[in-house]
Amino acid sequence: RKEVEQDPGPFNVPEGATVAFNCTYSNSASQSFFWYRQDCRKEPKLLMSVYSSGNEDGRFTAQLNRASQYISLLIRDSKLSDSATYLCVVDTGRRALTFGSGTRLQVQP
Amino acid sequence: EADIYQTPRYLVIGTGKKITLECSQTMGHDKMYWYQQDPGMELHLIHYSYGVNSTEKGDLSSESTVSRIRTEHFPLTLESARPSHTSQYLCASSTRDSTDTQYFGPGTRLTVL
Repeated sequence: RKEVEQDPGPFNVPEGATVAFNCTYSNSASQSFFWYRQDCRKEPKLLMSVYSSGNEDGRFTAQLNRASQYISLLIRDSKLSDSATYLCVVDTGRRALTFGSGTRLQVQP
Repeated sequence: EADIYQTPRYLVIGTGKKITLECSQTMGHDKMYWYQQDPGMELHLIHYSYGVNSTEKGDLSSESTVSRIRTEHFPLTLESARPSHTSQYLCASSTRDSTDTQYFGPGTRLTVL
């Protein structure tokens, strides 16, 4: 079983839609959680950290459920520019962060 | 924007050549990493370093080697390139604090003919 699991998608949504991604992690001792965004053939970039109480950054909301060991990302009012792959990232206490394989989002006009 | 740089951005070479991919960061980060990523596929950690003179193998076995003589510099070397080494190589760095947020360079896209 992978340490971090994501639905690969693709999620095809119209502009203006609300879309949510989930991610599960296996190590209950994990302490830090992030969402990264990766555009096609580009490097991953930090989108937001995920805090225990949940946090929001504009149209993006991240939630953490430690009991069920999952993280979610909600995107409201989707824009064409939101089209990308969203990587769930967890600090599992190993030597580097553990990256999920990503969920691809395609926002259509 | 993260201050982490990689050169070259694109490299096409023949089989058997020795190559070095450069990575440098100006943020004073202790930890640095090399990842390999094929198109549309996930990231695989191939090397990491906790600081000067510290290098370790990552999760994915790689024939490449790395060195960390200076904090800001973490080059990756392939002694004899093969077509199976064709991939994108991403360098990253992070601070020693608990958040461990990683910042990535733009990557080097390597093609071995």
